Amino acid sequence: DTAVSQTPKYLVTQMGNDKSIKCEQNLGHDTMYWYKQDSKKFLKIMFSYNNKELIINETVPNRFSPKSPDKAHLNLHINSLELGDSAVYFCASRGTGTGVRNEQFFGPGTRLTVL
Amino acid sequence: QQQVKQSPQSLIVQKGGISIINCAYENTAFDYFPWYQQFPGKGPALLIAIRPDVSEKKEGRFTISFNKSAKQFSLHIMDSQPGDSATYFCAASKSAGGGADGLTFGKGTHLIIQP
Repeated sequence: DTAVSQTPKYLVTQMGNDKSIKCEQNLGHDTMYWYKQDSKKFLKIMFSYNNKELIINETVPNRFSPKSPDKAHLNLHINSLELGDSAVYFCASRGTGTGVRNEQFFGPGTRLTVL
Repeated sequence: QQQVKQSPQSLIVQKGGISIINCAYENTAFDYFPWYQQFPGKGPALLIAIRPDVSEKKEGRFTISFNKSAKQFSLHIMDSQPGDSATYFCAASKSAGGGADGLTFGKGTHLIIQP
């Protein structure tokens, strides 16, 4: 079973459209994240969610909004897509605890291409 | 402001050699330092992690060396194998696993192990 899954794997869309990326984790984790990986492979945190509460929102345009229907899901909604939104988006999750192996598990990524 | 600086950007090592990747951080509040490995088309996966209370951590062929006073840490891959060819990311956060702020990543090192 996949620990963190994302759909779709690939998403090609036109500028100005609204799209969503879904994420589900079956690890029972409390915290979920969205990261953006740009064309140079730089990974940057976008959002984190803990028990349905948004904890941090980095300098991300308000066209991006995370929505968590339950603890196992954190979906990413993007309005009015722009060319610069083209990237790979990764969902991740993390459980509670303090050990070094309290790791973040990443999903396989969604490659978004805006034309 | 880049909080975690990683070098080199790319690295070619002969099979059986030692691969060394270096990172430096600025935020003294960082308390958790993981290394992630990413293969093409896949999400990042935790390789090894360290807390600042130890200067070295070894797991199999992978070793993290940590210098708290210099705010630097490095990954050593002993007996490098072609299967180690991947992109490696160092990261840092204020709590184990990333906590509420998520992980702050370096820009990555593209490692190629030549047979």
